[in-house]
Amino acid sequence: GQQLNQSPQSMFIQEGEDVSMNCTSSSIFNTWLWYKQDPGEGPVLLIALYKAGELTSNGRLTAQFGITRKDSFLNISASIPSDVGIYFCAGQSLMDSNYQLIWGAGTKLIIKP
Amino acid sequence: DTGVSQNPRHKITKRGQNVTFRCDPISEHNRLYWYRQTLGQGPEFLTYFQNEAQLEKSRLLSDRFSAERPKGSFSTLEIQRTEQGDSAMYLCASSADRFQIETQYFGPGTRLLVL
Repeated sequence: GQQLNQSPQSMFIQEGEDVSMNCTSSSIFNTWLWYKQDPGEGPVLLIALYKAGELTSNGRLTAQFGITRKDSFLNISASIPSDVGIYFCAGQSLMDSNYQLIWGAGTKLIIKP
Repeated sequence: DTGVSQNPRHKITKRGQNVTFRCDPISEHNRLYWYRQTLGQGPEFLTYFQNEAQLEKSRLLSDRFSAERPKGSFSTLEIQRTEQGDSAMYLCASSADRFQIETQYFGPGTRLLVL
């Protein structure tokens, strides 16, 4: 079946540092989505990518849809305490006509005091 | 419209009881999804509706689970004869069918604890 690998699994960083995480898939995707989830809440959409090579920013967040259509990365610049949470990538495969999303396992971001 | 809403936010029940959760999607969205999420995992797809039609159900959705979206607006997810393994966060998401592009917006979830 289709798989989506998200890394790293967790990150311990200092406030003010830049953060980078990525996802790779075993098949070609036509949509990549990045979500953030706080404890006890539902995932919140951060950035949506619809075109290979697309680079999109949302404040301090930047995400790119890889040229091969099989990967995406998310960067967070100058991290702040409220960036703590779990970041999920999700994608829609061209092979799936039911528009279902395939999810990564998440990257847990922890900011060291 | 303020986004996807779910009720209740928390539910504690005893094993064997039935529970029902409600999801109100974003008003112009015709697709509605139910997911289950356990600690440390990403959301697992359960089922989805396009308008009032339930188009797909995951193997995870046992016979004790049933979902409805009778008028193509809100949806309910019922779990009958709950088991301790049903304890999880149940998430609802909605999306609009635009050019086969899928952007799902999630509600805050209903956290279920089965004692």
